[in-house]
Amino acid sequence: KAGVTQTPRYLIKTRGQQVTLSCSPISGHRSVSWYQQTPGQGLQFLFEYFSETQRNKGNFPGRFSGRQFSNSRSEMNVSTLELGDSALYLCASSLGPDRSAFFGQGTRLTVV
Amino acid sequence: KNEVEQSPQNLTAQEGEFITINCSYSVGISALHWLQQHPGGGIVSLFMLSSGKKKHGRLIATINIQEKHSSLHITASHPRDSAVYICAILLQGGSEKLVFGKGTKLTVNP
Repeated sequence: KAGVTQTPRYLIKTRGQQVTLSCSPISGHRSVSWYQQTPGQGLQFLFEYFSETQRNKGNFPGRFSGRQFSNSRSEMNVSTLELGDSALYLCASSLGPDRSAFFGQGTRLTVV
Repeated sequence: KNEVEQSPQNLTAQEGEFITINCSYSVGISALHWLQQHPGGGIVSLFMLSSGKKKHGRLIATINIQEKHSSLHITASHPRDSAVYICAILLQGGSEKLVFGKGTKLTVNP
């Protein structure tokens, strides 16, 4: 059974650009959550999707958005990139609430 | 104050030593995760606990819901256990929102 797949693994973007990251959950998992990890703030929750609906959103500006498709794949988008958006972005999938979460390898975004 | 506090922040041990990492939290939870992150970023979920104790190989995780405290133990530690160990709580209410501790960086020397 394939794990959680995130693409791309590495990305370099310029300030002001936008970026789209992709997450394919484990087959059968309908819940996908996104997290940002930076050296200063550690891991922080971005948002969570279940059956194409955003159920929860963390404390991030509106430049951060996401969506989930009918096949449970999810994308997150960051517009008007800032240097501080440089981070490791992780997604995790699970069967649902209170079930074990499985993490992808992450996408390392560098904004220059 | 962070909702999840881990201690210690850094831990250096000799191969074979018994390791304990602690996690305290201040809110109601539906479950607690222990995660392992190796250099390079990938995170592996080691345990998900809502009560009692779980064991997997040399790893043992315990949780005391009344005291809002969990511990991760590693017996007979090995250099390959060197990683960052992160405690994360799943808040009550049916969501998947995880709140993370800052992590404990473990280095096991041969």
